[in-house]
Amino acid sequence: GAVVSQHPSRVICKSGTSVKIECRSLDFQATTMFWYRQFPKKSLMLMATSNEGSKATYEQGVEKDKFLINHASLTLSTLTVTSAHPEDSSFYICSAKTGESNQPQHFGDGTRLSIL
Amino acid sequence: AQSVAQPEDQVNVAEGNPLTVKCTYSVSGNPYLFWYVQYPNRGLQFLLKYITGDNLVKGSYGFEAEFNKSQTSFHLKKPSALVSDSALYFCAVRAGTTYSGAGSYQLTFGKGTKLSVIP
Repeated sequence: GAVVSQHPSRVICKSGTSVKIECRSLDFQATTMFWYRQFPKKSLMLMATSNEGSKATYEQGVEKDKFLINHASLTLSTLTVTSAHPEDSSFYICSAKTGESNQPQHFGDGTRLSIL
Repeated sequence: AQSVAQPEDQVNVAEGNPLTVKCTYSVSGNPYLFWYVQYPNRGLQFLLKYITGDNLVKGSYGFEAEFNKSQTSFHLKKPSALVSDSALYFCAVRAGTTYSGAGSYQLTFGKGTKLSVIP
């Protein structure tokens, strides 16, 4: 149980393109979803947290107009990287959890984004 | 503010030997502690958690961790390492608060420890 599906797994595109990444909880209702960015050989950096039906809460230094997050249902959140540039190239990982306090976050398999 | 320290960037262990990956934490109130494993180009897989109860927590793939409140530690252990255990391991913590709101569920991760099990 507790499967999180993230698509696409890899994206290569030209500078200036907008890229949408989907994160779905397949067998549970995700009250809260998180988006992380991971640099090579580094830990996870939390970008934003979203509750279903609410606006995302962005971490300091993360541009909300650059990284658009939508959490329209209890099973789907999307991250759109708008007008992507080479410095946006990274590994993006989503996670989801239920509303129960003692349950862990469950992670997707990540999206490798490469902007040429 | 909460924080996690994983003092070792890399741990090498021979196959069949016991392994330990260290983690210490700092958090206000009671800690909720987690271990995750990450294989190359993959997301994180949940291994185990400590919320309350027995200090020794058993998780997936034969891993266990011991919560030590006085030392604020939550070291990951396995009695006999396998080559397939080679991966990146993350310790994470959050405060065990009961109020609602997304911020209360945010995890703070350690920098990760690369475990290499040598055949």
